[in-house]
Amino acid sequence: RKEVEQDPGPFNVPEGATVAFNCTYSNSASQSFFWYRQDCRKEPKLLMSVYSSGNEDGRFTAQLNRASQYISLLIRDSKLSDSATYLCVVNPGGSYIPTFGRGTSLIVHP
Amino acid sequence: GAVVSQHPSRVICKSGTSVKIECRSLDFQATTMFWYRQFPKQSLMLMATSNEGSKATYEQGVEKDKFLINHASLTLSTLTVTSAHPEDSSFYICSASTNTDTQYFGPGTRLTVL
Repeated sequence: RKEVEQDPGPFNVPEGATVAFNCTYSNSASQSFFWYRQDCRKEPKLLMSVYSSGNEDGRFTAQLNRASQYISLLIRDSKLSDSATYLCVVNPGGSYIPTFGRGTSLIVHP
Repeated sequence: GAVVSQHPSRVICKSGTSVKIECRSLDFQATTMFWYRQFPKQSLMLMATSNEGSKATYEQGVEKDKFLINHASLTLSTLTVTSAHPEDSSFYICSASTNTDTQYFGPGTRLTVL
């Protein structure tokens, strides 16, 4: 089992839709979790950290489920500009060496 | 937010030459810097991790003699691709991290080796 797994998609949704991605991780000792957004031929940009209590930022909600070892990202009222690849990042305990998922591609169409 | 710069943003070179890429944290001191490589339509691949003043830790399969990393200060790390070949053509991205372990990425360097 890979350390961090994501469904590569693409998720093809219309504007205004709600879409959710999951990211599973294998190391139960993982300490911190993040969602990044990467546009084509650009560097990843931090979207949000994921806290045990959940984290909401506007249309984006991230949640952590430690028991099932996954994090999720929910996007409400999708915009065309949300089209990108969404990467989850998991930091195992202690060393802070991050592990990236392969990314989930989202395409929002008119 | 924290800003990381990379230079150059794009480089085209002949096979056999060496290319140096700089990564700077502009408004914070980075305890750790990471170097990644990304091929088209593939995920980021961590190449190495470097802490200021110590030798870089390379991931399995990454040749340390080919990809030389120098982390001279808390704001600067360099990656030198020695004797570059066409198969080294890729998007190289650095990131910098503080003790909070959030990573901030540079804009990347697109290397094309002819």
